[in-house]
Amino acid sequence: NAGVTQTPKFRILKIGQSMTLQCTQDMNHNYMYWYRQDPGMGLKLIYYSVGAGITDKGEVPNGYNVSRSTTEDFPLRLELAAPSQTSVYFCASRGRQGRNQETQYFGPGTRLLVL
Amino acid sequence: GQQVMQIPQYQHVQEGEDFTTYCNSSTTLSNIQWYKQRPGGHPVFLIQLVKSGEVKKQKRLTFQFGEAKKNSSLHITATQTTDVGTYFCAGLQNQAGTALIFGKGTTLSVSS
Repeated sequence: NAGVTQTPKFRILKIGQSMTLQCTQDMNHNYMYWYRQDPGMGLKLIYYSVGAGITDKGEVPNGYNVSRSTTEDFPLRLELAAPSQTSVYFCASRGRQGRNQETQYFGPGTRLLVL
Repeated sequence: GQQVMQIPQYQHVQEGEDFTTYCNSSTTLSNIQWYKQRPGGHPVFLIQLVKSGEVKKQKRLTFQFGEAKKNSSLHITATQTTDVGTYFCAGLQNQAGTALIFGKGTTLSVSS
């Protein structure tokens, strides 16, 4: 299993540009998440999904959109990039590991710089 | 909404010293999870605690879940340079258990 993969690893955007951060998992997990992590800070939940076709807002959804057309993929869309969206973005999926233990697996992250 | 708070934010120790980070939730948690993030890396799952008063050990790491299920701690005995990183606790966002809310983490640095 590759686990959770994210592309690109790094991207520089100009203000007002748009882009899609890709996230794919091959563990057949229903739950998937997008977090952002600002330097020296914790993880803030942007959007999450409990299954294909179902998405919901997290703590900081403004400026982002998501879709979940398949179990494997959960792309994050930035429509009008702003400097405040400079951050590291982590995608994660959650599934069962052993008895009664659900583990969240994170992708390697996408570093985004908006200038 | 639910908040998960961690202290301290930063901790520097000499190699061989002990280290403890504390996690407090504004609401009762069904379970709590701990993650470690190495510098430049992504968070990696360490452990999950479910029962009130539960204590689990992983080599030099000891995890505790409070009796009221609103607080937790991670204690590292005799730190090593390999322990460097940020330790996060996380609790479920809502009763449906659909999303984890993470604390801001405790960043540990170790000098040899």
